[in-house]
Amino acid sequence: ILNVEQSPQSLHVQEGDSTNFTCSFPSSNFYALHWYRWETAKSPEALFVMTLNGDEKKKGRISATLNTKEGYSYLYIKGSQPEDSATYLCALSYNTDKLIFGTGTRLQVFP
Amino acid sequence: NAGVTQTPKFRILKIGQSMTLQCTQDMNHNYMYWYRQDPGMGLKLIYYSVGAGITDKGEVPNGYNVSRSTTEDFPLRLELAAPSQTSVYFCASSRRGATNEKLFFGSGTQLSVL
Repeated sequence: ILNVEQSPQSLHVQEGDSTNFTCSFPSSNFYALHWYRWETAKSPEALFVMTLNGDEKKKGRISATLNTKEGYSYLYIKGSQPEDSATYLCALSYNTDKLIFGTGTRLQVFP
Repeated sequence: NAGVTQTPKFRILKIGQSMTLQCTQDMNHNYMYWYRQDPGMGLKLIYYSVGAGITDKGEVPNGYNVSRSTTEDFPLRLELAAPSQTSVYFCASSRRGATNEKLFFGSGTQLSVL
């Protein structure tokens, strides 16, 4: 069974701090790496879909990098704000149809 | 735009009862998915469909059935509800699978089996 691991499990930071977390996966049979943002009581929303080794994506203060050869992706948040508080999910597509999710990193940003 | 719509939002079932969770999307997406979310376990794939008339098992299919008679609808059926099926269920869709396309999620169905 494919295993997608995220670390840390949870993170508490002060407003204004920059932070990052990791998604690790088996580097073989890789098709795409997804990042989703999931606020409490809402449904997950897509941040990035990444497919190429060395790919970098950016959306406002959030950016992500991908290393398919070593099997990891980093998500960075610059200058965290309270509204960034959410669970960040990483998911791996190892064939064209299915998406397997990690357990997520829960971020809390304190004012 | 409605996107992905799930009904009901909440439901309580007794052990052994059956029910159908409804999911419909208005984006003409070919791919549809059912996930369940258990605390500390992330999202687990139950079943998915790549188009009308085609379905396949995911990671945790036992105790569930699906059908896909139209592009828009992908209902999830629980035949004999068990306490282990207490969870939050999410339906999702994408245009052409998960390689280059993001998933769009519904708002979820919270199910308790007592």
